[in-house]
Amino acid sequence: DTEVTQTPKHLVMGMTNKKSLKCEQHMGHRAMYWYKQKAKKPPELMFVYSYEKLSINESVPSRFSPECPNSSLLNLHLHALQPEDSALYLCASSQVPGGGTYEQYFGPGTRLTVT
Amino acid sequence: AQSVTQLDSQVPVFEEAPVELRCNYSSSVSVYLFWYVQYPNQGLQLLLKYLSGSTLVKGINGFEAEFNKSQTSFHLRKPSVHISDTAEYFCAVRATNFGNEKLTFGTGTRLTIIP
Repeated sequence: DTEVTQTPKHLVMGMTNKKSLKCEQHMGHRAMYWYKQKAKKPPELMFVYSYEKLSINESVPSRFSPECPNSSLLNLHLHALQPEDSALYLCASSQVPGGGTYEQYFGPGTRLTVT
Repeated sequence: AQSVTQLDSQVPVFEEAPVELRCNYSSSVSVYLFWYVQYPNQGLQLLLKYLSGSTLVKGINGFEAEFNKSQTSFHLRKPSVHISDTAEYFCAVRATNFGNEKLTFGTGTRLTIIP
Protein backbone atom coordinates (compact mmCIF):
# COMPACT_ATOMS: atom_id res chain seq x y z
CA ASP A 1 0.00 0.00 0.00
CA THR A 2 1.71 3.17 -1.22
CA GLU A 3 -1.18 5.49 -0.66
CA VAL A 4 -1.44 8.80 1.11
CA THR A 5 -5.05 9.81 1.70
CA GLN A 6 -6.34 13.31 2.32
CA THR A 7 -9.72 14.56 3.47
CA PRO A 8 -11.71 16.46 2.53
CA LYS A 9 -11.15 16.67 -1.24
CA HIS A 10 -12.71 20.12 -1.40
CA LEU A 11 -13.27 22.71 1.31
CA VAL A 12 -14.92 26.11 1.16
CA MET A 13 -14.58 28.24 4.26
CA GLY A 14 -15.18 31.80 5.34
CA MET A 15 -12.49 34.00 6.78
CA THR A 16 -13.82 33.57 10.31
CA ASN A 17 -14.18 29.79 10.19
CA LYS A 18 -12.01 27.14 11.81
CA LYS A 19 -11.45 23.97 9.84
CA SER A 20 -8.93 21.14 9.65
CA LEU A 21 -7.32 19.15 6.86
CA LYS A 22 -6.42 15.54 7.48
CA CYS A 23 -3.72 13.33 5.99
CA GLU A 24 -3.10 9.64 6.63
CA GLN A 25 -0.55 7.05 5.53
CA HIS A 26 -0.04 3.44 6.55
CA MET A 27 3.34 2.83 4.92
CA GLY A 28 5.31 3.15 8.15
CA HIS A 29 6.83 6.43 6.98
CA ARG A 30 8.33 8.60 9.71
CA ALA A 31 8.43 11.90 7.82
CA MET A 32 5.32 13.80 6.77
CA TYR A 33 4.99 17.07 4.90
CA TRP A 34 2.49 19.81 4.11
CA TYR A 35 2.78 21.70 0.83
CA LYS A 36 0.75 24.56 -0.62
CA GLN A 37 0.30 24.72 -4.39
CA LYS A 38 -1.17 27.68 -6.22
CA ALA A 39 -2.46 27.30 -9.76
CA LYS A 40 0.23 26.75 -12.39
CA LYS A 41 2.98 26.81 -9.72
CA PRO A 42 5.12 24.11 -8.11
CA PRO A 43 4.35 22.93 -4.58
CA GLU A 44 5.78 25.10 -1.80
CA LEU A 45 6.91 23.39 1.38
CA MET A 46 5.11 24.54 4.53
CA PHE A 47 5.97 22.08 7.30
CA VAL A 48 7.94 18.88 7.88
CA TYR A 49 7.39 16.43 10.72
CA SER A 50 10.13 13.92 11.53
CA TYR A 51 9.28 11.18 14.02
CA GLU A 52 6.15 13.12 14.99
CA LYS A 53 8.12 16.26 15.83
CA LEU A 54 8.01 19.50 13.84
CA SER A 55 11.41 19.80 12.15
CA ILE A 56 10.82 22.45 9.50
CA ASN A 57 8.47 25.44 9.47
CA GLU A 58 8.99 27.52 6.35
CA SER A 59 7.91 30.77 8.03
CA VAL A 60 4.25 29.92 7.61
CA PRO A 61 1.71 32.37 9.14
CA SER A 62 0.27 31.26 12.48
CA ARG A 63 -3.22 30.96 11.00
CA PHE A 64 -1.92 27.57 9.78
CA SER A 65 -1.27 25.18 12.66
CA PRO A 66 0.07 21.68 11.98
CA GLU A 67 -0.35 18.70 14.26
CA CYS A 68 1.01 15.16 14.14
CA PRO A 69 -0.94 13.05 16.66
CA ASN A 70 0.82 9.82 15.68
CA SER A 71 3.13 8.41 13.04
CA SER A 72 0.28 7.78 10.56
CA LEU A 73 -1.69 10.98 10.87
CA LEU A 74 -1.03 14.62 10.03
CA ASN A 75 -3.47 17.47 10.47
CA LEU A 76 -3.45 21.08 9.36
CA HIS A 77 -5.67 23.35 11.43
CA LEU A 78 -6.91 26.47 9.69
CA HIS A 79 -8.19 29.64 11.36
CA ALA A 80 -8.88 33.16 10.13
CA LEU A 81 -7.59 32.48 6.64
CA GLN A 82 -7.39 35.03 3.86
CA PRO A 83 -8.67 34.66 0.28
CA GLU A 84 -5.05 34.44 -0.92
CA ASP A 85 -4.73 31.22 1.07
CA SER A 86 -6.98 29.52 -1.47
CA ALA A 87 -4.88 26.75 -3.02
CA LEU A 88 -4.36 23.01 -3.32
CA TYR A 89 -2.89 21.66 -0.09
CA LEU A 90 -0.81 18.56 -0.56
CA CYS A 91 0.37 16.11 2.04
CA ALA A 92 3.36 13.84 1.46
CA SER A 93 5.29 11.22 3.39
CA SER A 94 8.68 9.54 3.09
CA GLN A 95 10.32 6.54 4.69
CA VAL A 96 13.27 8.18 6.37
CA PRO A 97 13.50 11.84 7.21
CA GLY A 98 16.55 13.36 5.64
CA GLY A 99 19.03 10.70 4.75
CA GLY A 100 18.50 7.65 2.65
CA THR A 101 17.17 7.62 -0.85
CA TYR A 102 13.48 7.58 -0.21
CA GLU A 103 11.21 9.67 -2.34
CA GLN A 104 8.16 11.51 -1.11
CA TYR A 105 4.74 10.01 -1.78
CA PHE A 106 2.01 12.59 -2.33
CA GLY A 107 -1.67 12.53 -1.54
CA PRO A 108 -4.33 13.82 -3.98
CA GLY A 109 -4.66 17.10 -2.14
CA THR A 110 -7.41 19.23 -0.63
CA ARG A 111 -8.69 22.06 -2.81
CA LEU A 112 -9.30 24.95 -0.39
CA THR A 113 -11.33 28.03 -1.26
CA VAL A 114 -11.49 30.90 1.24
CA THR A 115 -14.41 33.27 0.72
CA ALA B 1 20.96 25.53 -1.38
CA GLN B 2 19.66 23.98 -4.55
CA SER B 3 17.74 25.40 -7.50
CA VAL B 4 16.01 23.80 -10.47
CA THR B 5 15.32 25.35 -13.87
CA GLN B 6 12.72 24.07 -16.28
CA LEU B 7 13.08 26.44 -19.20
CA ASP B 8 10.03 25.23 -21.11
CA SER B 9 6.80 26.20 -19.40
CA GLN B 10 4.69 24.60 -22.12
CA VAL B 11 5.50 21.88 -24.64
CA PRO B 12 2.94 20.87 -27.31
CA VAL B 13 3.64 17.56 -29.04
CA PHE B 14 1.74 15.52 -31.59
CA GLU B 15 0.51 12.13 -30.49
CA GLU B 16 3.04 9.32 -31.10
CA ALA B 17 5.89 11.83 -31.52
CA PRO B 18 8.91 11.83 -29.20
CA VAL B 19 9.30 14.41 -26.46
CA GLU B 20 12.07 15.79 -24.27
CA LEU B 21 11.40 17.93 -21.21
CA ARG B 22 14.45 19.80 -20.02
CA CYS B 23 15.67 20.17 -16.45
CA ASN B 24 18.84 21.83 -15.20
CA TYR B 25 19.85 22.13 -11.58
CA SER B 26 22.34 23.99 -9.46
CA SER B 27 23.76 22.73 -6.19
CA SER B 28 26.95 23.02 -4.16
CA VAL B 29 26.47 19.48 -2.81
CA SER B 30 25.56 16.17 -4.39
CA VAL B 31 21.86 15.68 -5.05
CA TYR B 32 19.22 13.13 -5.80
CA LEU B 33 17.03 13.96 -8.79
CA PHE B 34 13.36 13.25 -9.38
CA TRP B 35 10.67 13.74 -11.99
CA TYR B 36 7.08 13.96 -10.81
CA VAL B 37 3.90 14.13 -12.91
CA GLN B 38 0.70 15.87 -11.89
CA TYR B 39 -2.49 15.08 -13.79
CA PRO B 40 -5.30 17.66 -13.63
CA ASN B 41 -6.82 18.01 -10.16
CA GLN B 42 -4.55 15.33 -8.70
CA GLY B 43 -1.50 15.05 -6.48
CA LEU B 44 2.04 14.37 -7.65
CA GLN B 45 3.16 10.93 -8.79
CA LEU B 46 6.80 9.90 -9.02
CA LEU B 47 7.85 9.07 -12.58
CA LEU B 48 11.48 8.20 -11.91
CA LYS B 49 14.48 9.06 -9.79
CA TYR B 50 18.26 9.19 -10.04
CA LEU B 51 20.11 8.21 -6.90
CA SER B 52 23.46 6.84 -8.13
CA GLY B 53 24.94 4.40 -10.62
CA SER B 54 23.77 4.23 -14.21
CA THR B 55 23.04 7.69 -15.57
CA LEU B 56 20.10 6.46 -17.65
CA VAL B 57 17.09 5.74 -15.50
CA LYS B 58 13.81 4.25 -16.59
CA GLY B 59 10.52 5.08 -15.01
CA ILE B 60 6.84 4.38 -15.29
CA ASN B 61 4.67 4.93 -18.37
CA GLY B 62 7.61 4.55 -20.78
CA PHE B 63 9.53 7.60 -19.55
CA GLU B 64 13.28 7.72 -19.06
CA ALA B 65 15.78 10.36 -18.02
CA GLU B 66 19.50 10.84 -18.31
CA PHE B 67 21.65 12.39 -15.61
CA ASN B 68 24.50 14.50 -16.96
CA LYS B 69 26.73 15.68 -14.16
CA SER B 70 28.96 17.92 -16.29
CA GLN B 71 25.96 19.75 -17.71
CA THR B 72 24.00 19.52 -14.44
CA SER B 73 21.00 18.29 -16.37
CA PHE B 74 18.34 15.62 -15.94
CA HIS B 75 16.20 15.71 -19.07
CA LEU B 76 13.07 13.57 -19.33
CA ARG B 77 12.27 11.71 -22.56
CA LYS B 78 9.61 9.51 -24.07
CA PRO B 79 9.92 8.02 -27.57
CA SER B 80 6.20 8.09 -28.36
CA VAL B 81 3.63 10.08 -26.39
CA HIS B 82 -0.05 9.37 -25.86
CA ILE B 83 -3.02 11.60 -25.14
CA SER B 84 -2.93 10.32 -21.56
CA ASP B 85 0.50 11.91 -21.05
CA THR B 86 -1.08 15.37 -21.00
CA ALA B 87 -0.09 16.69 -17.57
CA GLU B 88 2.24 18.98 -15.64
CA TYR B 89 5.76 17.64 -15.13
CA PHE B 90 7.99 18.77 -12.27
CA CYS B 91 11.71 18.17 -11.91
CA ALA B 92 12.95 18.17 -8.30
CA VAL B 93 16.21 17.79 -6.41
CA ARG B 94 17.17 16.98 -2.86
CA ALA B 95 20.56 17.13 -1.21
CA THR B 96 21.96 13.72 -0.31
CA ASN B 97 23.24 14.70 3.13
CA PHE B 98 21.44 13.30 6.14
CA GLY B 99 18.95 15.59 7.81
CA ASN B 100 17.96 17.46 4.68
CA GLU B 101 14.33 16.65 3.92
CA LYS B 102 13.66 19.59 1.64
CA LEU B 103 12.66 18.87 -1.95
CA THR B 104 13.26 21.76 -4.37
CA PHE B 105 10.96 21.84 -7.38
CA GLY B 106 11.30 23.45 -10.77
CA THR B 107 8.48 25.64 -12.03
CA GLY B 108 7.00 22.81 -14.09
CA THR B 109 6.41 22.03 -17.76
CA ARG B 110 2.92 21.59 -19.11
CA LEU B 111 2.94 18.83 -21.71
CA THR B 112 0.02 19.00 -24.14
CA ILE B 113 -0.51 16.15 -26.58
CA ILE B 114 -2.11 17.11 -29.88
CA PRO B 115 -4.25 14.36 -31.49
